[in-house]
Amino acid sequence: EVQLLESGGGLVQPGGSLRLSCAASGFTFSSYAMSWVRQAPGKGLEWVSAISGSGGSTYYADSVKGRFTISRDNSKNTLYLQMNSLRAEDTAVYYCAKQMVVAATGGMDVWGQGTTVTVSS
Amino acid sequence: DIQMTQSPSSLSASVGDRVTITCQASQDISNYLNWYQQKPGKAPKLLIYDASNLETGVPSRFSGSGSGTDFTFTISSLQPEDIATYYCQQYDNLPPVLYTFGQGTKLEIK
Repeated sequence: EVQLLESGGGLVQPGGSLRLSCAASGFTFSSYAMSWVRQAPGKGLEWVSAISGSGGSTYYADSVKGRFTISRDNSKNTLYLQMNSLRAEDTAVYYCAKQMVVAATGGMDVWGQGTTVTVSS
Repeated sequence: DIQMTQSPSSLSASVGDRVTITCQASQDISNYLNWYQQKPGKAPKLLIYDASNLETGVPSRFSGSGSGTDFTFTISSLQPEDIATYYCQQYDNLPPVLYTFGQGTKLEIK
């Protein structure tokens, strides 16, 4: 069964850091790009970052550029999101999602259950 | 950046009704558009990719059409389990890759 399982969410103070992980199973992880998508409480979906299957290409939304870093370890079938300089507006449920192709484009056909990040003092 | 205007923001319909949601892009995006369903407390689910392709396992009452700037998502006969919020999503086919979601349409049963 194709599955994504996020972890690493929690409560952090403004200006702090957090690292999210997404463990993948049931498919050839390195053959697909991956994305992080977030959803603030009561709000819509916002794409955060994407990475190609090899990890050689990364992309970011303007709202997180320079503060967040996406990476992947294909030997461990795991996707990461390092979040630094966190702000209250980063509070959201963070989903990892599998893309349909190796390049970071196209639809997102498998989603994790989400992990909650709360930025508050 | 490309802006996506999705309408309506909410919709109430009866079981068996035909339901239509539209999404308009601020510039030509060819067919680089997907549709997702999100039920309360759950992760989004891909229903339609590349404007008109039905994702595997998705019931055939769901369909999508359009290209360029104007896109339509249709449920041919609304079922109770279709209660959800629906999102369109535009994507870039070439680097730098960016994705933009529509504002969402909350669908309720009358």
